[in-house]
Amino acid sequence: KNQVEQSPQSLIILEGKNCTLQCNYTVSPFSNLRWYKQDTGRGPVSLTIMTFSENTKSNGRYTATLDADTKQSSLHITASQLSDSASYICVVSAGGSYIPTFGRGTSLIVHP
Amino acid sequence: GAGVSQSPSNKVTEKGKDVELRCDPISGHTALYWYRQSLGQGLEFLIYFQGNSAPDKSGLPSDRFSAERTGGSVSTLTIQRTQQEDSAVYLCASSHSGAGELFFGEGSRLTVL
Repeated sequence: KNQVEQSPQSLIILEGKNCTLQCNYTVSPFSNLRWYKQDTGRGPVSLTIMTFSENTKSNGRYTATLDADTKQSSLHITASQLSDSASYICVVSAGGSYIPTFGRGTSLIVHP
Repeated sequence: GAGVSQSPSNKVTEKGKDVELRCDPISGHTALYWYRQSLGQGLEFLIYFQGNSAPDKSGLPSDRFSAERTGGSVSTLTIQRTQQEDSAVYLCASSHSGAGELFFGEGSRLTVL
């Protein structure tokens, strides 16, 4: 069964600090992995996509990594801002399937 | 419109009533998904439409739930005889093609009293 596990479940950090969110998956065959950001009361928005051949991809202060061998991904947030407070969801798509597998998300709170 | 539009944004209903939730996807997107998100929980897949193909209904939790997509565009999710456990945010997403980036609407928050 395809599964996506995220850790930690929740995280509280101070503004300006860095943090790293983790995603482990057992989706097979792997097609791509996306990180979404969901602000409170809003729909999720894609931050980045990782394919099998990509190890690192940046989007501003967000950097995603992928290790296809260990089936792990991380999302690193640099110099956090109050607006980074949100849920971050890891979503993995399998080849041949149009229904991606969602993680439960990591709830990030950035305090001033 | 530029994005996925959902209505109503909020719906309060009494237990046992039927409700309809509407989703207007991004123009040209052939794939459309419905998800349910209970308070503090992850997204739960409900149903997937792709073009004129038969929908994948494997995520619908009971036969009280149904969905249609007319003309390959607008979709309606119907919940019959609502129960309190149906209270959640119902999110719609569309994609240019299956397995592509999902573009989500703002959701319809359903409260069943």
